[in-house]
Amino acid sequence: GAVVSQHPSWVICKSGTSVKIECRSLDFQATTMFWYRQFPKQSLMLMATSNEGSKATYEQGVEKDKFLINHASLTLSTLTVTSAHPEDSSFYICSATRGLETQYFGPGTRLLVL
Amino acid sequence: DAKTTQPPSMDCAEGRAANLPCNHSTISGNEYVYWYRQIHSQGPQYIIHGLKNNETNEMASLIITEDRKSSTLILPHATLRDTAVYYCIVRVFGGATNKLIFGTGTLLAVQP
Repeated sequence: GAVVSQHPSWVICKSGTSVKIECRSLDFQATTMFWYRQFPKQSLMLMATSNEGSKATYEQGVEKDKFLINHASLTLSTLTVTSAHPEDSSFYICSATRGLETQYFGPGTRLLVL
Repeated sequence: DAKTTQPPSMDCAEGRAANLPCNHSTISGNEYVYWYRQIHSQGPQYIIHGLKNNETNEMASLIITEDRKSSTLILPHATLRDTAVYYCIVRVFGGATNKLIFGTGTLLAVQP
């Protein structure tokens, strides 16, 4: 149990375009989902916390207008990188949790902006 | 959340036990110790967590000192597939937020 998927697993886009990444909890209802970003040879950095049906809470320094998060159902959260630029190229990882239980992570999405 | 300190890297021979230490000297009474690992280019994988008692599951054992200021993750028979970055994280269980703050972790290299 506790399987989290992400789609796509990798994406290449042109600078200035928007990219949407999906995060799904496959076998449980996730009341909270988290989005992380990881640059090469660095640790995971929490970007935002998303509760179903409410606005996401962003960590300090993360632009909420650039990284749009939607958590419309108990099994799906999306992260949209708007007007992507090369510096947004990174490994984006989501996690999901039921209530205050253990977080389970997705496999990650690698974004390359040309 | 309390911070943790881990060695940046460790080696272990295949088939031997891997013992990964973690210091969390400022841990509070209601904070749990969580361990995750991240194999290259994958999302983190949950391993185990505990409050004050030692815990064991199919993946590993977690030994927490009596004063809770440090812990050790034990992989009883390490394989090449256990090569990964291991993260020790402390968090409040049942608090207003359950976000995880990742440190730099320990890169465990299992040698053939």
